[in-house]
Parts: sequence; structure tokens; C-alpha cells
Amino acid sequence: NAGVTQTPKFQVLKTGQSMTLQCAQDMNHEYMSWYRQDPGMGLRLIHYSVGAGITDQGEVPNGYNVSRSTTEDFPLRLLSAAPSQTSVYFCASRSTVGALGTEAFFGQGTRLTVV
Amino acid sequence: QKEVEQDPGPLSVPEGAIVSLNCTYSNSAFQYFMWYRQYSRKGPELLMYTYSSGNKEDGRFTAQVDKSSKYISLFIRDSQPSDSATYLCAMSSNTNAGKSTFGDGTTLTVKP
Repeated sequence: NAGVTQTPKFQVLKTGQSMTLQCAQDMNHEYMSWYRQDPGMGLRLIHYSVGAGITDQGEVPNGYNVSRSTTEDFPLRLLSAAPSQTSVYFCASRSTVGALGTEAFFGQGTRLTVV
Repeated sequence: QKEVEQDPGPLSVPEGAIVSLNCTYSNSAFQYFMWYRQYSRKGPELLMYTYSSGNKEDGRFTAQVDKSSKYISLFIRDSQPSDSATYLCAMSSNTNAGKSTFGDGTTLTVKP
């Protein structure tokens, strides 16, 4: 009964490095999304996916790539890290069926610092 | 202007107080209205959701939606120290129910 699992929990990167944030869910949810949360700015949508093989951009997609090859996994790639990408990243998943579509399950977050 | 504006807080109340948390929005297509609770250094968790207008009650929590005023509220009765957290409102539309727009959050502290 893991829900949404994010790895790593903490990461420090140097400017220009690349990395992948991992997200996995075991609830067979079709919809998965990535958010970043900055102090005083709530959650901003980076990318989302409505099913395997289908992804789309959210509000702040620049500097990030995603792919969805399976229902369970939705990794987020930082191509060339910049200090402006210092943030807490949350992965979320939800069912898209009826009222259940409103309930999102969030991971515990990845705290990323770019120096 | 943001689509969703949330009262910024922070709020500090004594134990047992009634707390009111509020958001306004500009997108009339929003039909789902959610409240999430986020404890420090944790992911948000869904507290309540309402579809369209009206009230919904769950224990000490009541969610209200006034679509005519584009205004939603979360009331917490008999507040407890364990209610201390950041509360996020979120909204989405029928046409794209997967994409939620979040408020910036209100941090609540309930003092014993």
C-alpha cells in the first residue's frame, strides 16, 4: 500500500547538471502530474499525463522533460539545472473516473537545491 | 491576475476557535473545489471536495462554495493543535478535471 513514491527525497545539483526525479504509483491511476512548490507560491503544474504514452505541458514546463512509458512510472528530467529550479517537487496521481477524479494522491516530495 | 487567490495568512488562533479559510477565483468553468491540508515537509493530502455549489460537512470541517460570488470557504470548528498546517484550495473544470489550479496556501497555527 505504497501510494505515490518519489525518489530521491533530497538532492543537491550543480548548475548545468542533469538528473531524473523518479515517481511511481501502485494504484493503477491514469492521471499523473508533477508540481513544484516555492515559498508563498502554492503548487504550480509542470507537466502531466493522462495515460501511458500521453503527456502535456502545464504552467511552468521550461527546463523539464517527461515521458510515460508505463501506467506506474512518470519520471521528471531536468535537462540542465539552474538555480531557479531550486524548489520542492511533488508528484501526484489520480483516477480519472467520476468523482474520484478529483482526489489526488501526492508523494512526499523531493527537495532540490541547485548551486 | 491569478485565477485563484487565497487569503495569505498566516493565521494563529487559540485551541477551540472557529477558523475560516477563504479563496476567490475568476474562472467560471471551475466545477470541482478542493481543500488540501499540508503538514510541514509533507505532501498535500485531500481534506474535502465539493462539486458545483453548496455546502459539505465532514466532522469539524465544512466546505462552502458560492459560485455566484466565485468564493469558497473552509470552516474548522473546535480547532485543535493537530489542525496546524498549511491549507491549500484547488479548483478544476469538467472539461479538464485532471488539471487543478491551486491557491498559494494559508498557514494555520492552533495554540493550546
